[in-house]
Amino acid sequence: GAVVSQHPSRVICKSGTSVKIECRSLDFQATTMFWYRQFPKQSLMLMATSNEGSKATYEQGVEKDKFLINHASLTLSTLTVTSAHPEDSSFYICSARDSMGSGSPNTEAFFGQGTRLTVV
Amino acid sequence: DAKTTQPPSMDCAEGRAANLPCNHSTISGNEYVYWYRQIHSQGPQYIIHGLKNNETNEMASLIITEDRKSSTLILPHATLRDTAVYYCIVRAANTGNQFYFGTGTSLTVIP
Repeated sequence: GAVVSQHPSRVICKSGTSVKIECRSLDFQATTMFWYRQFPKQSLMLMATSNEGSKATYEQGVEKDKFLINHASLTLSTLTVTSAHPEDSSFYICSARDSMGSGSPNTEAFFGQGTRLTVV
Repeated sequence: DAKTTQPPSMDCAEGRAANLPCNHSTISGNEYVYWYRQIHSQGPQYIIHGLKNNETNEMASLIITEDRKSSTLILPHATLRDTAVYYCIVRAANTGNQFYFGTGTSLTVIP
């Protein structure tokens, strides 16, 4: 299946600093990517939809100024956690769908391996 | 998107079939049923999806009832590596629509 790669897989940062997480679709193009957050023993919570060449769409309750999303190309979206605090420590996961592929509108989404963020 | 209901946990003996149910009684005519699984500390893995016909691939089979209000994911011969949280998601066929995850079923395959 298609591959979505996240980097880094694990990061530790100091409180108050910013952290950037990259999400790449390796063998397909994605006009739309999605960012999720997952706390321990909980399900994935959608944070925002990243749109290539335009502003991201954030879910209710997600601070757009804290979680900056950039989708500058058809294969790369980045999530920057600004002024990180310990409560931002979580597992961040991106996903993407092949928007240029077979033409079927019901294609599955592929997920990255996730990024474990720890803010100390 | 329609809400789904899954049992929180299930056990299955290794080598036996694992049958994971999902209720989606408010599903709309244009909504597909997707199944993903998440092994601990990894991203979700796509398993299978369908609209109204039963589907089968190398990983699993998906049985959708005629009224489409429920479905069952079948892992024909469960192995220890199938231990994971399984998510049933219903989603409209649109290239922009997101996947919203419920609480899923934690499947434990027992030796």
